[in-house]
Amino acid sequence: GAGVSQSPSNKVTEKGKDVELRCDPISGHTALYWYRQSLGQGLEFLIYFQGNSAPDKSGLPSDRFSAERTGGSVSTLTIQRTQQEDSAVYLCASSLLGRTNEKLFFGSGTQLSVL
Amino acid sequence: GIQVEQSPPDLILQEGANSTLRCNFSDSVNNLQWFHQNPWGQLINLFYIPSGTKQNGRLSATTVATERYSLLYISSSQTTDSGVYFCAVGPGDYKLSFGAGTTVTVRA
Repeated sequence: GAGVSQSPSNKVTEKGKDVELRCDPISGHTALYWYRQSLGQGLEFLIYFQGNSAPDKSGLPSDRFSAERTGGSVSTLTIQRTQQEDSAVYLCASSLLGRTNEKLFFGSGTQLSVL
Repeated sequence: GIQVEQSPPDLILQEGANSTLRCNFSDSVNNLQWFHQNPWGQLINLFYIPSGTKQNGRLSATTVATERYSLLYISSSQTTDSGVYFCAVGPGDYKLSFGAGTTVTVRA
């Protein structure tokens, strides 16, 4: 696609429910990143994919968080048993090859609200 | 991880004014990027600039890697420049550490 697409744009859920957030990167980009932005804060790294593999999951805040990527394209971030502290904007980015000198291109994010 | 400090945290400008945003970082980096987050939340990459100087229209950036800081210059500011400016750095791999941002408000 022309840009990084994320869905849904907004998600309101009840505490304890599971949620799935979707990211569709720029066509041909092999590297995909998930970041989280809490209110008024900078971005916090969650996970990085190179192709379908996730060599670095160190940013995932707990075992309630998981992510997968299929076909080297679409990625899904799943949060199980959501908690109020999970409320944030979840941002996905992609880059062509995941090299150091590449710009990251971000989607518009999913605003998650856990009630 | 690398610590990133941005200053000032907030900046109010009159349209047409110039300004300088600063990013200090705590360790050597091989990756430094500036982003603009518009009022609708969209993050746009402005510069990839681990060292040296680059210009793009009314925006320019300079990074002095040996002294661990980067500057973003906005000249002849416009209301569309409003938003949050983030500096993000990394040691040379894919992981970027973001500063807390500078919120810029340009008044007509």
